[in-house]
Amino acid sequence: DAGVIQSPRHEVTEMGQEVTLRCKPISGHNSLFWYRQTMMRGLELLIYFNNNVPIDDSGMPEDRFSAKMPNASFSTLKIQPSEPRDSAVYFCASSSQESLGSPLHFGNGTRLTVT
Amino acid sequence: GQNIDQPTEMTATEGAIVQINCTYQTSGFNGLFWYQQHAGEAPTFLSYNVLDGLEEKGRFSSFLSRSKGYSYLLLKELQMKDSASYLCAPAPGNFNKFYFGSGTKLNVKP
Repeated sequence: DAGVIQSPRHEVTEMGQEVTLRCKPISGHNSLFWYRQTMMRGLELLIYFNNNVPIDDSGMPEDRFSAKMPNASFSTLKIQPSEPRDSAVYFCASSSQESLGSPLHFGNGTRLTVT
Repeated sequence: GQNIDQPTEMTATEGAIVQINCTYQTSGFNGLFWYQQHAGEAPTFLSYNVLDGLEEKGRFSSFLSRSKGYSYLLLKELQMKDSASYLCAPAPGNFNKFYFGSGTKLNVKP
């Protein structure tokens, strides 16, 4: 089992540029989550999908952020245009949701720096 | 919504026991998770409690009191590698949403 795979691991971009983060969940997991982590705000839930359908995007900070899950094995989080305050580590996580105790499995994260 | 409260930072000595507390308020409840996160790494699953009481798993134990909205993580025989942040995550009534506490940074000293 390869685990949750995120790319890129690091992204440095200039303000105003478009950023696309990618995630491949664990095969067979039907729930996918995007989180953002900063020192100030901790781990924030941005959006989650169940069976490829966005269930709740209330955590998405603003319209500059969008997420898609075109199929069960791929999701993207896009920021357009990016701003310095978007600098953070972005984690993708997946879960099988087979039972109440099904944990989240996290990818290694994408460290985004917007200058 | 959710309120999750954990101490920001704790320090303990190698070989000792430390208890990390978490209090929470959720709309609905479907159990509570503890995660460990080493600096620069992703969170990893430690434990899950859905019923009241203590669940023991090696050096780590987790306790839950649903009526008090309270949980703790107990780490015994501390090792240097236990230096990490520990995140509390109650699963709310809408089971799919996982919110995390801000985490407790544990420093283990020789």
